[in-house]
Amino acid sequence: AQTVTQSQPEMSVQEAETVTLSCTYDTSESDYYLFWYKQPPSRQMILVIRQEAYKQQNATENRFSVNFQKAAKSFSLKISDSQLGDAAMYFCARRYSNTGKLIFGQGTTLQVKP
Amino acid sequence: KAGVTQTPRYLIKTRGQQVTLSCSPISGHRSVSWYQQTPGQGLQFLFEYFSETQRNKGNFPGRFSGRQFSNSRSEMNVSTLELGDSALYLCASSPGASTNEKLFFGSGTQLSVL
Repeated sequence: AQTVTQSQPEMSVQEAETVTLSCTYDTSESDYYLFWYKQPPSRQMILVIRQEAYKQQNATENRFSVNFQKAAKSFSLKISDSQLGDAAMYFCARRYSNTGKLIFGQGTTLQVKP
Repeated sequence: KAGVTQTPRYLIKTRGQQVTLSCSPISGHRSVSWYQQTPGQGLQFLFEYFSETQRNKGNFPGRFSGRQFSNSRSEMNVSTLELGDSALYLCASSPGASTNEKLFFGSGTQLSVL
């Protein structure tokens, strides 16, 4: 089965500290895309960061970066200098080739403490 | 550019009824995907439309159907509603068919079946 697994249902971090959210996935494809989405209480899914599997360099977007380990099929998200507005549920997802179909993990609820 | 618009935001229906949800993608986007989000099952792919054609379908019963119009707007229909259909239904759009394109989500329609 082609699955995405997030093993941490909940995480908490102190404001201004760094936190890492874990994600592993299973795929038989060699070329694919991985995503982290954030879902705040407003429920809208917001794209945080995207990683192309063929690129060895880890993607970064301001305070957000990933640690992509293709051989281990691991895709963790690091949030630096955490802010109160980062509190949300975070979903890891993999996109099937040439489709709009995403396979999501179960999500990690991140709490940011002031 | 306006984002992905889903209407209505909230719906309350009773068992056995049918419901139609609407999604207007970002202007210029031709691919629309639908997802169901529940606390128990998480986010699950329903189907995807591209240029008025269904390209992919998830593992949902035939009571769930959809269509896409020539202006790329999409509707999904659920007939003979069951209690288990209570969920947040999310729509996502992307420009075309390429895997490297980002998916942009709407805020969802919260469906409650009584």
